[in-house]
Amino acid sequence: QSALTQPPSVSGSPGQSVTISCTGTSSDIGSYNHVSWYQQPPGTAPKLMIYEVNNRPSGVPDRFSGSKSGNTASLTISGLQAEDEADYYCSSYTSSATWVFGGGTKLTVL
Amino acid sequence: QVQLVQSGAEVKKPGASVKVSCKASGYTFTRNNIHWVRQAPGQGVEWMGIISPGGGWASHAQKLQGRVSMTRDTTTTTVYMELTSLRSEDTAVYYCARDDTNWAFDIWGQGTMVTVSS
Repeated sequence: QSALTQPPSVSGSPGQSVTISCTGTSSDIGSYNHVSWYQQPPGTAPKLMIYEVNNRPSGVPDRFSGSKSGNTASLTISGLQAEDEADYYCSSYTSSATWVFGGGTKLTVL
Repeated sequence: QVQLVQSGAEVKKPGASVKVSCKASGYTFTRNNIHWVRQAPGQGVEWMGIISPGGGWASHAQKLQGRVSMTRDTTTTTVYMELTSLRSEDTAVYYCARDDTNWAFDIWGQGTMVTVSS
């Protein structure tokens, strides 16, 4: 199972919006809504930000939103804040009854 | 509160084995599956496998076939991941993470650094 494809880096200024894409195949993202997103500041464990494509766990700001079209999922962060600077990973359940992660995207807040 | 607490850092020689523990607390242990995920230094995260504390079954990534085993002890609410025939490429932080029953990982352990070096 190959990793999902994410851009290595994205950036934006405070207050702006950024979108991180996550491209898979018809065996993972294209077949299931079991897509989740994680935020990982340096030196910490990942934190769940979005599950089932577009659902936020309790405590996650509504500035974070998710979507999916075909084999590609997206995470959008609006009203960027300095504290959003981190690595972001997508994940999907697959038709092999396994999970796969994306390669990660480093978000820089300018 | 709900938490997963992992065992401490390990240093192993190539060819050796390592067993990492993950103790769950704050919720009903048998209700949620536990995943193992690893992250090599400066790299992305990689899914390793899943274990059902309730049913005892486990499944793992094909690339780890024959080298990884996942077990659980319901009396101590602890899951274990053992990796054998260690090589330098296995140097990584190993995380356990709870499955939230929505195919996502909602609670993570603090991570265990495993270093494989001669």
